[in-house]
Amino acid sequence: EPEVTQTPSHQVTQMGQEVILRCVPISNHLYFYWYRQILGQKVEFLVSFYNNEISEKSEIFDDQFSVERPDGSNFTLKIRSTKLEDSAMYFCASSVKNIQYFGAGTRLSVL
Amino acid sequence: AQRVTQPEKLLSVFKGAPVELKCNYSYSGSPELFWYVQYSRQRLQLLLRHISRESIKGFTADLNKGETSFHLKKPFAQEEDSAMYYCALRGDDKIIFGKGTRLHILP
Repeated sequence: EPEVTQTPSHQVTQMGQEVILRCVPISNHLYFYWYRQILGQKVEFLVSFYNNEISEKSEIFDDQFSVERPDGSNFTLKIRSTKLEDSAMYFCASSVKNIQYFGAGTRLSVL
Repeated sequence: AQRVTQPEKLLSVFKGAPVELKCNYSYSGSPELFWYVQYSRQRLQLLLRHISRESIKGFTADLNKGETSFHLKKPFAQEEDSAMYYCALRGDDKIIFGKGTRLHILP
């Protein structure tokens, strides 16, 4: 069964550094998403992406964040200058017919 | 405001006993409700959605618009049901999650 793939599984970075989290959505899906989950808190929506542009974003998704689909398979989340509070699990999802399929997540640790 | 509330952080149930995980929502419009499950060390996966009205792994959930609830039920708990359960609402182009309930099945 096809799956959403995320790399790396764990990313450690210094505060102020840029990070890129990578996702390979399921191949015939057209809608892509990023969510995050701070330890002990709920899963929060960050951004949705369709037809090569952002379709919706939350207030969390400020100017430090950007998303890109650089080729036909990858979907990336970039955090320009990481802060301590960006430490979280980041989940990518892709969807077809309104059902979202989630990746296993990338744990981002900002030191 | 769009919101999903799961009042129980942890629910412990004996094997063979009935399970009910509570979920209430707030949404102006016709909601689409889901239950997602996350087993230990696995990814979030869809358990069921209200529009398909199906039973998955013995679980059912009925949308009650009057009470704005979408409680998850199973008549007889099994040990493999231990997991985190998230109630979720599809609003526009995103999923809004509740905080989750950890279901712990006692032997």
